[in-house]
Amino acid sequence: GENVEQHPSTLSVQEGDSAVIKCTYSDSASNYFPWYKQELGKGPQLIIDIRSNVGEKKDQRIAVTLNKTAKHFSLHITETQPEDSAVYFCAASIPPSGNQFYFGTGTSLTVIP
Amino acid sequence: DAGVTQSPTHLIKTRGQQVTLRCSPKSGHDTVSWYQQALGQGPQFIFQYYEEEERQRGNFPDRFSGHQFPNYSSELNVNALLLGDSALYLCASSGVGADTQYFGPGTRLTVL
Repeated sequence: GENVEQHPSTLSVQEGDSAVIKCTYSDSASNYFPWYKQELGKGPQLIIDIRSNVGEKKDQRIAVTLNKTAKHFSLHITETQPEDSAVYFCAASIPPSGNQFYFGTGTSLTVIP
Repeated sequence: DAGVTQSPTHLIKTRGQQVTLRCSPKSGHDTVSWYQQALGQGPQFIFQYYEEEERQRGNFPDRFSGHQFPNYSSELNVNALLLGDSALYLCASSGVGADTQYFGPGTRLTVL
């Protein structure tokens, strides 16, 4: 099966700075890569996703990049705010559509006001 | 539009007991996946139900079983509970042929 590694495990940034979280995957057949934000006591919330036919996707302050050759993808959060503080998970999925997700181990992001 | 709902929110059981967790998918979704999330870890896939059949299964023992009803809601059953089964159990739903999975708030299971 797929193996997803995520770094760093913890990240602290000053409010207004950028945060970058990186993930690598092992199975070149993976074609869908979602990112989830999980706040304490809640379920994961989808924040952005990218498919293997796209190299970059942006949604306001959040962007994701994908390098299929190197088998890694990254989450970029710009102009961080205290409410961005949470645990972020990357995931990968192998076709066909709707297949199980393989999750990374999570990154605990703290934005310091 | 209600999102994915799960019940109960919290549950405390003792070793050897059995437990049933419930999930209602997002409106319009017909596929339900279950994940186990241990403290400080990412979710681990248990199994997925589509058209009332188990379509995929992760690396979990037969003590974990499930069911999907005609209205697409689902149950997760765990028999002979072990201390190691203590975790947050997450349900996710998706639509036909769609990649995206939407998660519910989870059920926190504590086994004593």
